[in-house]
Parts: sequence; C-alpha cells; structure tokens
Amino acid sequence: NAGVTQTPKFRILKIGQSMTLQCTQDMNHNYMYWYRQDPGMGLKLIYYSVGAGITDKGEVPNGYNVSRSTTEDFPLRLELAAPSQTSVYFCASTKSRQGTYEQYFGPGTRLTVT
Amino acid sequence: EDQVTQSPEALRLQEGESSSLNCSYTVSGLRGLFWYRQDPGKGPEFLFTLYSAGEEKEKERLKATLTKKESFLHITAPKPEDSATYLCAVGSYNQGGKLIFGQGTELSVKP
Repeated sequence: NAGVTQTPKFRILKIGQSMTLQCTQDMNHNYMYWYRQDPGMGLKLIYYSVGAGITDKGEVPNGYNVSRSTTEDFPLRLELAAPSQTSVYFCASTKSRQGTYEQYFGPGTRLTVT
Repeated sequence: EDQVTQSPEALRLQEGESSSLNCSYTVSGLRGLFWYRQDPGKGPEFLFTLYSAGEEKEKERLKATLTKKESFLHITAPKPEDSATYLCAVGSYNQGGKLIFGQGTELSVKP
C-alpha cells in the first residue's frame, strides 16, 4: 500500500491564481481530512469528509473548497490565492471504527503565495 | 471548548538524558488521545492511542501515559534519531471523527 499520497510536493502561486491540491489514499478509509500547518503551530482542520459525496467545514475553511466523488480521492481547491494561504498542507485519512480514530498522513504540499 | 496544550514548546537534551513531554487537554467526553512524531518536511507519523486514565503504551524508548487531564510522553535514554516534533491530539465524542491538535514540542537530542 502507498498509504496517503499528495501532489504536488511544492508549488508557488501568484496572488489571485487558483490551484487544486490532490490527495489519494489506497487503504479503503472512509474518513479524509485536509489540514494546514503554519510554522510553530499545530495542525488546523480545513475540511473533512466522512464518505463519498459528504463533506463538512473544519476550523479554517475560508478560501478553500473540497469535493469527494470517490472513496480514494479528496482534492482541495484554492480559489483566488492570498498570501495568508502560504502554508504546508497535509491530507489524512482514517478507517472509522468505534473507539479508534488514528489518522494517517500524507507527505504534505508546501505552498507559497507571492 | 475542547483544547490541547503542549509543553514545553522546545526541549534540548543530551543523548541518554531522559525527560518527559506534557500534553494537557480539556475535552467533553474523551474518545482517544493520540501521539504523533513529525520529522522536518514530512507528515505526522502515528505513535500511540490512549483511551482511558491509567493506560500506558510503550514503543522502544517512548512511553505514553494518560490521566484525566493530561498525557505524558516519557523518553528514556534518548538518541539523536529521536529528534523530531511530537504532536498530541484528542478526539471527543462531540467532535465526531475530528481531532484537536496541540502546537507540538520540538525535541532536539545532541550526541
């Protein structure tokens, strides 16, 4: 199993541009998440999904959109990029089962908006 | 409001010098407390889940413990390869499948 994969690894955007961060998992996990991590800070939840066709906002959803058309894929869309969106983005997934929610993370996408 | 606070923010140890990292939490209905290790430029790597006060788990030089208000990650005789940022997170029954993360403790072990 490859686990959770993310593309691209690095990206530089100009203010106002748009892009999609890709996330794929091959563990048949039903829950998937998008986080951002800023220097010296913990992980902040952007959006999450409990299954195909179902998404919900996390703590910091403004400026982002998601979709979940399959179990495996959970892309994150940035519209009209702003410097405040400069961050490292992590995708994670978990197999929801009672009492256990450990999440498994991808390698991250480092995004700079200038 | 569910909250997680980790201390210290940074910890510098000599090789072989044992110490502990703290994770204090406030949560309504703890579903699980999670420890992760994060190396620079990489995603967090799952270490342990603890479910109830009094529970302990061990892996190599790491031992995690849990009380009703905090968790400790004890590092015994650390080696330079234990250098990383350690993240703590909690899940609660009113948060569904979401986790609340602390800001992390950056551990540096010098030879």
